Amino acid sequence: DVKVTQSSRYLVKRTGEKVFLECVQDMDHENMFWYRQDPGLGLRLIYFSYDVKMKEKGDIPEGYSVSREKKERFSLILESASTNQTSMYLCASSLSEDSGRGSTGELFFGEGSRLTVL
Amino acid sequence: AQSVTQLGSHVSVSEGALVLLRCNYSSSVPPYLFWYVQYPNQGLQLLLKYTTGATLVKGINGFEAEFKKSETSFHLTKPSAHMSDAAEYFCAVSERNTGFQKLVFGTGTRLLVSP
Repeated sequence: DVKVTQSSRYLVKRTGEKVFLECVQDMDHENMFWYRQDPGLGLRLIYFSYDVKMKEKGDIPEGYSVSREKKERFSLILESASTNQTSMYLCASSLSEDSGRGSTGELFFGEGSRLTVL
Repeated sequence: AQSVTQLGSHVSVSEGALVLLRCNYSSSVPPYLFWYVQYPNQGLQLLLKYTTGATLVKGINGFEAEFKKSETSFHLTKPSAHMSDAAEYFCAVSERNTGFQKLVFGTGTRLLVSP
């Protein structure tokens, strides 16, 4: 059974702390994504990666960074957590199109990491 | 940039009734369109997708959606709701930006099913 695993389901952190959210996929997918999900706003893309060590900003990258040192692992980093980063964070992965120009659109999601920043 | 509008943040139906969840998109080129479902305390999973070809697309769990270019719509339907269909549903459209195709999601519609 294919799987995307997020390291923590629930985290509580204090303002100013550095936060690491880890995501691992076992499907040998090229593309990996980090979204945040907020009520009434749907899913918003923070960062994505289409290859090892490659990363691209999504729609809301401010306050976040990412790391992809290995194909199967994509980490989201909050350098200095703030209360407005309290949210559900979803990691996803996908294969690339045959053209190599992006995701097939069929994303496989982890179960999410609910982060609360106090 | 492409966008997706889902009408109604909540939809309530009775068990056995028709389910209709609305999705409209904006796109200057033929899009790829998707519906995802999120059950409580879980990540999203793909219900169905339209890329090219037949405009009526069948998905898992008895759901289907029809791509109507003239109406820029991709509404999700199911003839008879089941209690297990209670979940949040997200419509998404592919967006090709700087050469990389990625998804843009709508704000979601929560489906409530009553006995």
